[in-house]
Amino acid sequence: GENVEQHPSTLSVQEGDSAVIKCTYSDSASNYFPWYKQELGKGPQLIIDIRSNVGEKKDQRIAVTLNKTAKHFSLHITETQPEDSAVYFCAASGAPSGRRALTFGSGTRLQVQP
Amino acid sequence: DAGVIQSPRHEVTEMGQEVTLRCKPISGHNSLFWYRQTMMRGLELLIYFNNNVPIDDSGMPEDRFSAKMPNASFSTLKIQPSEPRDSAVYFCASSFVRQNKGQPQHFGDGTRLSIL
Repeated sequence: GENVEQHPSTLSVQEGDSAVIKCTYSDSASNYFPWYKQELGKGPQLIIDIRSNVGEKKDQRIAVTLNKTAKHFSLHITETQPEDSAVYFCAASGAPSGRRALTFGSGTRLQVQP
Repeated sequence: DAGVIQSPRHEVTEMGQEVTLRCKPISGHNSLFWYRQTMMRGLELLIYFNNNVPIDDSGMPEDRFSAKMPNASFSTLKIQPSEPRDSAVYFCASSFVRQNKGQPQHFGDGTRLSIL
């Protein structure tokens, strides 16, 4: 089955700096890669996603890049703000076999210092 | 627009008791997923349904766990008998899935389950 590895497990940055979180996946047939933000006491919330036919996607301060050859994808947050502090999860799914459930990475706790 | 609704938000019960978790997916979604989150194992899939039919239950820990989806707007996850190691946050998510392509999944706020 799919295996997703995520690094780093914790990340502390100063407000205004950029943050980068990296993930690798094992199943070359996976074709959908979402990123979720989870705040304390809440469920994961989708913040951005990318499909295997695209190399990069941006949404304001958030961007995701995908390297299919190397089987890795990254989340980039620019101009970080204290409200960006949360746990971030990457995930992969959608192999042609019909695997629709998400396989999650282990999470990155991001702390933005004011 | 109502999101995925889970109940109860918190459940504390004694070992051996039956526990039932409930989920109302987003209207129009055709797939429903149950996940469990623990510090040790992270977020892991328990079971998912497509058009109310269980498709993959390989993540269900053991026979003490069962899930049903009697209609498109309701699902339950039952643990009987419950054990302390079942303590975790249980999430329900729903999605509209087309063909064999992954689609965004929308999560509820979870049920925090504590088995004493």
